[in-house]
Amino acid sequence: KAGVTQTPRYLIKTRGQQVTLSCSPISGHRSVSWYQQTPGQGLQFLFEYFSETQRNKGNFPGRFSGRQFSNSRSEMNVSTLELGDSALYLCASSPGDSPYEQYFGPGTRLTVT
Amino acid sequence: AQSVSQHNHHVILSEAASLELGCNYSYGGTVNLFWYVQYPGQHLQLLLKYFSGDPLVKGIKGFEAEFIKSKFSFNLRKPSVQWSDTAEYFCAVTRTKYGNKLVFGAGTILRVKS
Repeated sequence: KAGVTQTPRYLIKTRGQQVTLSCSPISGHRSVSWYQQTPGQGLQFLFEYFSETQRNKGNFPGRFSGRQFSNSRSEMNVSTLELGDSALYLCASSPGDSPYEQYFGPGTRLTVT
Repeated sequence: AQSVSQHNHHVILSEAASLELGCNYSYGGTVNLFWYVQYPGQHLQLLLKYFSGDPLVKGIKGFEAEFIKSKFSFNLRKPSVQWSDTAEYFCAVTRTKYGNKLVFGAGTILRVKS
C-alpha cells in the first residue's frame, strides 16, 4: 500500500496570506489527523477528521481549519498567516476508531516571511 | 491538562551500549502508548505500541518498552544500540475517548557514536 502523501512538500508564503495543505491517507483509512511540529513547541495536535466529521480539535486559533472529503482525503487551511505559523505540518492516517496506530506522512514545510 | 514527559533531551551513546529512554504521562484512565522515531531526513515512524495485555511490548529493530501502570511510565529500551539508531525518539499517548489525538513528549535526540 502507498503511504500517506502530502502536498506540497515545501511552501513559502507572506504574512497575511492564506494557505491550503493537502493530505491523502493510506487507502482504506478513514481517520486523518493534523499536527504542527516546531523546534520550540514540538509536536502539537491540530485536529482529527473521521468520516468527514471533525472528531477532535487541539488548542489552535480559528485561523486553522480543516475538512475531509468522502474519499478520506483531507485539507487544512491557515488564514491570515503569521510568522509563528512557520512549521512542519504533518498529516497522519489511521484505519478508523481508536485504538489504532497512526501513520505519518512526510509533512509540508511552511515558511512564512 | 494531559502531558507527556521525556526525561532526557539529548543522549549520546557508543555503539553496543544499552539504551533506556524514560517516558511518563500525567493522567489516569485508559491510555494507549506509542513510541515513534524520526531518523534524519525521514518522517515519523512507529517503533512500537501498547494498547492492552502484556505490559512488555516488542517493536521493530530490537526495541522494546515496558508499561508500568503504577508509575505512569512507558520506557523504551534496546540492549545494544547501533550507529543507525541515531534519531529523535518521541513518546506519545492517546486516550480512547479522544479518538486519535496523540499527545507527544518533547522528544529525545539520540546520537550513537561509531
